Amino acid sequence: EADIYQTPRYLVIGTGKKITLECSQTMGHDKMYWYQQDPGMELHLIHYSYGVNSTEKGDLSSESTVSRIRTEHFPLTLESARPSHTSQYLCASSANRGPTFSGNTIYFGEGSWLTVV
Amino acid sequence: AQTVTQSQPEMSVQEAETVTLSCTYDTSESDYYLFWYKQPPSRQMILVIRQEAYKQQNATENRFSVNFQKAAKSFSLKISDSQLGDAAMYFCAYNTGFQGAQKLVFGQGTRLTINP
Repeated sequence: EADIYQTPRYLVIGTGKKITLECSQTMGHDKMYWYQQDPGMELHLIHYSYGVNSTEKGDLSSESTVSRIRTEHFPLTLESARPSHTSQYLCASSANRGPTFSGNTIYFGEGSWLTVV
Repeated sequence: AQTVTQSQPEMSVQEAETVTLSCTYDTSESDYYLFWYKQPPSRQMILVIRQEAYKQQNATENRFSVNFQKAAKSFSLKISDSQLGDAAMYFCAYNTGFQGAQKLVFGQGTRLTINP
């Protein structure tokens, strides 16, 4: 399976705190994504990146922001967390054409469970 | 816009039996990929099987196989010889065949329970 890592796995924080969810992949994939998923529900794309210095909003509006300064790193930041941000956040990546290309397959990290109290 | 629909919120099967999970999708594209992902409770989303739309042959991965009906826009997953470890949420997903915009569109998911 793919080498994509997320930290922290579980986080409980108070309202108004700033948090950053880290995501790193070691496969040299150009494209990276953040999905949001409530328990037992479908996934919704909130951010994606085609490469370094590229970030785009996804289909679901989110108050979070992302950055892509290095190919392997795609952190997600919430400046002021609220209880409505409680959810699971899944980072993912995929390759362009090349040695690691595998048919537009997107690989996922283990997810970060965020609870805002 | 593409849509993916899984009409079975929950399914259950006896261990060692066969179960089929349904998925339909809507798209105007001719080049695309379809996927089944498995998400065990509190664990990583992993790829089960992938199908390229231009391939007529149904994809197979060990006990997992698909029935891809392109004209009907149907993509079902068959799990043979079900095992307890198969219990999970299963998501059907669509991705465009174009390189510029790879954004998975997911179905609502089907929760599969394996009865011992």
